[in-house]
Amino acid sequence: QLELQESGPGLVKPSETLSLTCSVSGGSIRGSYWSWIRQPPGRGLEWIGYFFTSGNTNNNPSLKSRVTISADTSKNQLSLKMTSVTAADTAVYFCARGGVGSGYTWFDPWGQGTLVTVSS
Amino acid sequence: DIQMTQSPSSLSASVGDRVTITCRASQSIGNYLNWYQQKPGKAPILLIYAASTLQTGVPSRFSGSGSGTEFTLTITNLQPEDFATFYCQQSYSLPRTFGQGTKVEIK
Repeated sequence: QLELQESGPGLVKPSETLSLTCSVSGGSIRGSYWSWIRQPPGRGLEWIGYFFTSGNTNNNPSLKSRVTISADTSKNQLSLKMTSVTAADTAVYFCARGGVGSGYTWFDPWGQGTLVTVSS
Repeated sequence: DIQMTQSPSSLSASVGDRVTITCRASQSIGNYLNWYQQKPGKAPILLIYAASTLQTGVPSRFSGSGSGTEFTLTITNLQPEDFATFYCQQSYSLPRTFGQGTKVEIK
């Protein structure tokens, strides 16, 4: 059974870079699409972007060029980096498999999520 | 971007009730529509994909319908464990977008 676990600092200062890791167990990250999704406290879900292990990646234009999504196949991990963070980036960050690709796609499964607070 | 609008934003219902949630897309998305359930402090879980296909393990009291721009999620015989927030999500184009959520509360 595929399991995803996000990890990273829970507190990031404004203007700094947010860095998160998603560790995948129970299966290989190779050959699949992987997405990051976030949820500000008490609010809805926002898709951040995806990574495919061929190197193909795409981000939500709303985040402009602040986001980099990559993977380390040797560690079976994904990573998310977001630069120049502000308080508006405070959210629970989830990684999830899929959601992108040809045909019908959906996000499943999801990691438990990790809360990142942007504050000085 | 395709905007997804859910209605209502919240509703109160009793155990055993039939509940219907509507999701509207700002443009036609065929049946590229998914539904998720989220409980407080937990990650969303997939309920329905391709508008009407039940994910494995999801109880049959959940059903989805619709195509184009209007979709519905129906829960028949509402159970105590169904009280949660439900989100629709379009998988027709990038960026992927979600509805704002519908919170189902106990009456």
